[in-house]
Amino acid sequence: KNEVEQSPQNLTAQEGEFITINCSYSVGISALHWLQQHPGGGIVSLFMLSSGKKKHGRLIATINIQEKHSSLHITASHPRDSAVYICAVRSLAQKLVFGQGTRLTINP
Amino acid sequence: NAGVTQTPKFRVLKTGQSMTLLCAQDMNHEYMYWYRQDPGMGLRLIHYSVGEGTTAKGEVPDGYNVSRLKKQNFLLGLESAAPSQTSVYFCASSPNNLAGIYNEQFFGPGTRLTVL
Repeated sequence: KNEVEQSPQNLTAQEGEFITINCSYSVGISALHWLQQHPGGGIVSLFMLSSGKKKHGRLIATINIQEKHSSLHITASHPRDSAVYICAVRSLAQKLVFGQGTRLTINP
Repeated sequence: NAGVTQTPKFRVLKTGQSMTLLCAQDMNHEYMYWYRQDPGMGLRLIHYSVGEGTTAKGEVPDGYNVSRLKKQNFLLGLESAAPSQTSVYFCASSPNNLAGIYNEQFFGPGTRLTVL
């Protein structure tokens, strides 16, 4: 079993829909990262959080340390949000472990 | 600032050939990393460096060597390429870990390597 599991693996939605991507992990962590990988391959960091919730524009990331679970939400989704979203956790041994990614497609 | 750059962007090698991938960052970051990304798998750490002149093995180091002679550059070498090393390689950098606060990583655009 992978230490970081994301769901769903693939998600297709219509423009304007509310999107949720989930990340569950099985190790103790010091921080959790959400990353976005564009169709061209580039990877950018969206959030880094260790508790609570963070918001940036239409993106919201939450984490529940007790349940070892994080969610990434996108409100009013747009075709330009189409990308692979990657969850990564920094374990207590300071190792960064990546999930397999969720491929999101937003249709106009 | 250019951020993190990688050279080359694409490369095709024959089995047994050698090559070096160059990563450069202009953000004065202490930490640098090399990852590989394969279909259906998450990014996996090959080697990393916590400062100039230091390197350490990551999760999948076999078949690769690295050097960090200058703070801004991190080189990944393949001495004898194998088809199993066909992958997309990403370099990343991050600031120093101060007071246990881990910072985000900044990624390069990737290098697509095919070994025939």
